[in-house]
Amino acid sequence: GAVVSQHPSRVICKSGTSVKIECRSLDFQATTMFWYRQFPKQSLMLMATSNEGSKATYEQGVEKDKFLINHASLTLSTLTVTSAHPEDSSFYICSARWTGGNEQYFGPGTRLTVT
Amino acid sequence: ELKVEQNPLFLSMQEGKNYTIYCNYSTTSDRLYWYRQDPGKSLESLFVLLSNGAVKQEGRLMASLDTKARLSTLHITAAVHDLSATYFCAVDIFTNAGKSTFGDGTTLTVKP
Repeated sequence: GAVVSQHPSRVICKSGTSVKIECRSLDFQATTMFWYRQFPKQSLMLMATSNEGSKATYEQGVEKDKFLINHASLTLSTLTVTSAHPEDSSFYICSARWTGGNEQYFGPGTRLTVT
Repeated sequence: ELKVEQNPLFLSMQEGKNYTIYCNYSTTSDRLYWYRQDPGKSLESLFVLLSNGAVKQEGRLMASLDTKARLSTLHITAAVHDLSATYFCAVDIFTNAGKSTFGDGTTLTVKP
């Protein structure tokens, strides 16, 4: 149980375009979802927290107009990277948890490359 | 601000040897987690530690938590090559909206 999927697993896009990444909880209702990015050989950096039906809460230094997060249902959150640039190339990982649960469940990650 | 420090950051060890990874955190915590990450992959949950004195074991890995010292350890017994990976600890505090703060990770290389 407690499976989280992400789609796509890999995406290559041209500079200036937008790309959407989906995060789904497959067998539970995720009241909270988290979006992280990870650069090579570094730890996970939390970008934002999203609660179903509410606006996302962004961490300091994360541009909310660039990284659009929508948590439209209890099983789906999306991250849209708008006007992507090469420096946005990274590994993006989502996680999900339910209210009262003891842990987060991580998706398999999405490798974004901006050319 | 909650800070989580792991050491060592890099660990190279011989197969068959034992070693311990340390995770210190700066404020009272509700939960502590250990994860494994293989290159190019996401995180795999290893242990969830919820209370002082908690000890959990899975195969050659054993994790413990001392909330008074704000310290968790991940002990590796008789290491094998398959344990080569990066290990992260992460800490939750109740007032932080369910967010976890991660350590920098320990990259373990087990050599034959």
